[in-house]
Amino acid sequence: GQQLNQSPQSMFIQEGEDVSMNCTSSSIFNTWLWYKQEPGEGPVLLIALYKAGELTSNGRLTAQFGITRKDSFLNISASIPSDVGIYFCAGTTGANSKLTFGKGITLSVRP
Amino acid sequence: DTGVSQDPRHKITKRGQNVTFRCDPISEHNRLYWYRQTLGQGPEFLTYFQNEAQLEKSRLLSDRFSAERPKGSFSTLEIQRTEQGDSAMYLCASTPGPLYGDNEQFFGPGTRLTVL
Repeated sequence: GQQLNQSPQSMFIQEGEDVSMNCTSSSIFNTWLWYKQEPGEGPVLLIALYKAGELTSNGRLTAQFGITRKDSFLNISASIPSDVGIYFCAGTTGANSKLTFGKGITLSVRP
Repeated sequence: DTGVSQDPRHKITKRGQNVTFRCDPISEHNRLYWYRQTLGQGPEFLTYFQNEAQLEKSRLLSDRFSAERPKGSFSTLEIQRTEQGDSAMYLCASTPGPLYGDNEQFFGPGTRLTVL
């Protein structure tokens, strides 16, 4: 079945640093989404991408839809302590169809 | 609050008991999804509804699981004869529907199920 690969499993950065995460797949996806999840809560949508090559920003977050449609990247600039959480990539192959998620990357930010 | 809501937030039950969870989607969202998330994993798709019609079910949804959305608004997910392997976070999400052409799914806070 389809799988999204996220690595490493954990990242540790210093407050103020930038961090990049990527997500890869062996299959083509039509939509890429990035979510953040905090303990005991549901995932919160950060950015949605709909076209190959698309670059979208949401505050300090920037995400890109890879040209091959098999990958996506999320960048967080000038990290702050509240950026701590698990970041998931997700993709879908059709309009309003089920999401396939990666395993997530746990981000820790040292003050 | 106009987001997706789920009830209860936590449920502890004994093996063999039946449990039912409720999800209220964002108002006027036509599509409603159920996912299951275990520790250290991303959410996995279980099933989804377009209004009251259940359009797709995952192989993860065994015969002990049943989901309904009788009036096309809230949905319920029932697990019969619970097993310890059913322990997970059950997440609900909604989107406006196919007429809007987007795939942005908005999630509720989840129901954490623990089967003893």
